[in-house]
Amino acid sequence: AQSVAQPEDQVNVAEGNPLTVKCTYSVSGNPYLFWYVQYPNRGLQFLLKYITGDNLVKGSYGFEAEFNKSQTSFHLKKPSALVSDSALYFCAVSPNSGNTPLVFGKGTRLSVIA
Amino acid sequence: GAVVSQHPSRVICKSGTSVKIECRSLDFQATTMFWYRQFPKQSLMLMATSNEGSKATYEQGVEKDKFLINHASLTLSTLTVTSAHPEDSSFYICSAIGRIPSSYNEQFFGPGTRLTVL
Repeated sequence: AQSVAQPEDQVNVAEGNPLTVKCTYSVSGNPYLFWYVQYPNRGLQFLLKYITGDNLVKGSYGFEAEFNKSQTSFHLKKPSALVSDSALYFCAVSPNSGNTPLVFGKGTRLSVIA
Repeated sequence: GAVVSQHPSRVICKSGTSVKIECRSLDFQATTMFWYRQFPKQSLMLMATSNEGSKATYEQGVEKDKFLINHASLTLSTLTVTSAHPEDSSFYICSAIGRIPSSYNEQFFGPGTRLTVL
C-alpha cells in the first residue's frame, strides 16, 4: 500500500529566507507525486506534480520540488518565502495516473514570519 | 478552467437531521469524483469513490447507509449525511477527475463544506 510521510508538523521561516517542506513516500511502481496548499477553511489548491521527466518540477507561486528516487523523497522548496505563503501544505501520492484517489500526508503547517 | 464547486460552503444542523452536500464540475465532465473528510488539524481521508452512473465504492470503515453518494450526471455528485450526529462534524471536500486533455487524470478539488452538527 502507498503512504506519504511529512515528518514536520510545523515549519517556521523568516520572510525572504528559503523554505523546505519535507515529504517522503512509499509506493509500488512509479509514483505520481503532488503538492497542494490549503488556506483556512478552504479547499486544496494544486501547486505542482511529478509524473515523469525532469526531477526538478516547477509549480505555482514560485514553488518547486525535487523528485529523488533513491531517497523516495519529494521535498517542496521555495528560494524566498513570503508571509502570504503561510498555510497548510499537503504532499500526496498516487500509484498510477489512472482514476485512483490520492493518499495524503498529514500536512505541514508553514509559518513565514515577517 | 477545471473548476469544482461545492454547496453549501458551511452548514449547521441539529442532531438527527440529514444534510446534502453538492459537488459540481463547472466546466468539464467529471468521470470520477472522490469524497474526502478532514478533521481539524488532520489530513484528508478518502471516504468514497463515485463514478457516474454506478454505485459508489466506499472505503473501509465508512458506513454507506449513513453517507449516501449519488453521481447522477457527469457534472454533479451529492453526499448526503443521514441522521447526522455531532461526531459527523467535519470538513468535507470533493475532487473530480475529468476528460481534460492538458490535465489527464489530475484531480481538481472543491472548496470544501464545513458541517457542524449540534
